[in-house]
Amino acid sequence: AQTVTQSQPEMSVQEAETVTLSCTYDTSESDYYLFWYKQPPSRQMILVIRQEAYKQQNATENRFSVNFQKAAKSFSLKISDSQLGDAAMYFCAYRSANFGNEKLTFGTGTRLTIIP
Amino acid sequence: DAGVTQSPTHLIKTRGQQVTLRCSPKSGHDTVSWYQQALGQGPQFIFQYYEEEERQRGNFPDRFSGHQFPNYSSELNVNALLLGDSALYLCASRGLRMTAVREGYTFGSGTRLTVV
Repeated sequence: AQTVTQSQPEMSVQEAETVTLSCTYDTSESDYYLFWYKQPPSRQMILVIRQEAYKQQNATENRFSVNFQKAAKSFSLKISDSQLGDAAMYFCAYRSANFGNEKLTFGTGTRLTIIP
Repeated sequence: DAGVTQSPTHLIKTRGQQVTLRCSPKSGHDTVSWYQQALGQGPQFIFQYYEEEERQRGNFPDRFSGHQFPNYSSELNVNALLLGDSALYLCASRGLRMTAVREGYTFGSGTRLTVV
């Protein structure tokens, strides 16, 4: 079974600064997908960024980028130029690439606070 | 834009009762998954429905059952409620499988179930 670990329950960053959220995972599969989801107080999970395991290049979406280290099974999220709207719970999630196995396995989340 | 709609928003039930939660997927989506998110935890996969059949199930007891209707909407039923069933129940939908990888699953804002 796959597991996802987020070791930082809470993080805070000054507005306009950069913050990195950590995530590690455990799997015996070679092909899979990794995601970062954001959950604001509205409770809706919003996709921030995703990474395919077969791609060596790290994904980037505007101010959000990841550092994907497949051998170390590490998948961290870097948020640059932090904004007040970035405040939320952030969840790292794993999904197998196997046909028929679509469940997302989530970590326990990191609460990100933005300091004005 | 009709995203994923869940009802009701909040619900209070007594231990031993039965509850039905409802989900309407995003327009154009035909696959629905349900997740349970306990307080302070990441979501846990309950099951997925496609073509009115349960396609994949997580580690939840038979008290948790579901249904998908021809219009792709879905219900989650929980029988013999326990205090530990208190949680946020999230519904997520997707369209084509590879599109879901690229775009992620679309989540609703959930139903907050409290069992007393």
